[in-house]
Amino acid sequence: DAGVTQSPTHLIKTRGQQVTLRCSPKSGHDTVSWYQQALGQGPQFIFQYYEEEERQRGNFPDRFSGHQFPNYSSELNVNALLLGDSALYLCASSEQGPEQYFGPGTRLTVT
Amino acid sequence: DQQVKQNSPSLSVQEGRISILNCDYTNSMFDYFLWYKKYPAEGPTFLISISSIKDKNEDGRFTVFLNKSAKHLSLHIVPSQPGDSAVYFCAASAETSYDKVIFGPGTSLSVIP
Repeated sequence: DAGVTQSPTHLIKTRGQQVTLRCSPKSGHDTVSWYQQALGQGPQFIFQYYEEEERQRGNFPDRFSGHQFPNYSSELNVNALLLGDSALYLCASSEQGPEQYFGPGTRLTVT
Repeated sequence: DQQVKQNSPSLSVQEGRISILNCDYTNSMFDYFLWYKKYPAEGPTFLISISSIKDKNEDGRFTVFLNKSAKHLSLHIVPSQPGDSAVYFCAASAETSYDKVIFGPGTSLSVIP
């Protein structure tokens, strides 16, 4: 049984560009959450998707957007990249409740 | 403003001894608390949780204690093993928005053989 998978593993982008990160949830999970983890900090909640709708959102600007597909996989899009967007982006899936299964993350570097 | 705090960035413990990791929270709406463990190059892994209706929850070597009046919880690992060396995150959520989990900054635990 595959756990949560994310792609790509690493990514380097230039300021002002746009990026798309992808996530496949653990089998049987219908809810996907995205987190940003800066160096030395804990994961910061970006948003959560359930039934292809954004259900909860953290304190992130509209440059951060997402999508969930009918097969429950999800994408995180970030527009107009800033240097401060450099971080590890984590995807987590769950069935219900706050206990989540995390993927290994995508390391984004903005230069 | 950080709603979940872990004031010890790092902790070193001898193998076989007890490890105690502490966490404080400020939001009184939080009623469900979780601990995650993270190894380098991996995502966090769920370890143990506790609801606010309890003050203790055990799972093998891991025990979480909750003191609601002090808005404080702690994770005890007994006995500590070298494989426990990782970053431990305390996290919290509120019944009104269980989906939104707030994480602390983490404590790096080193268990010395």
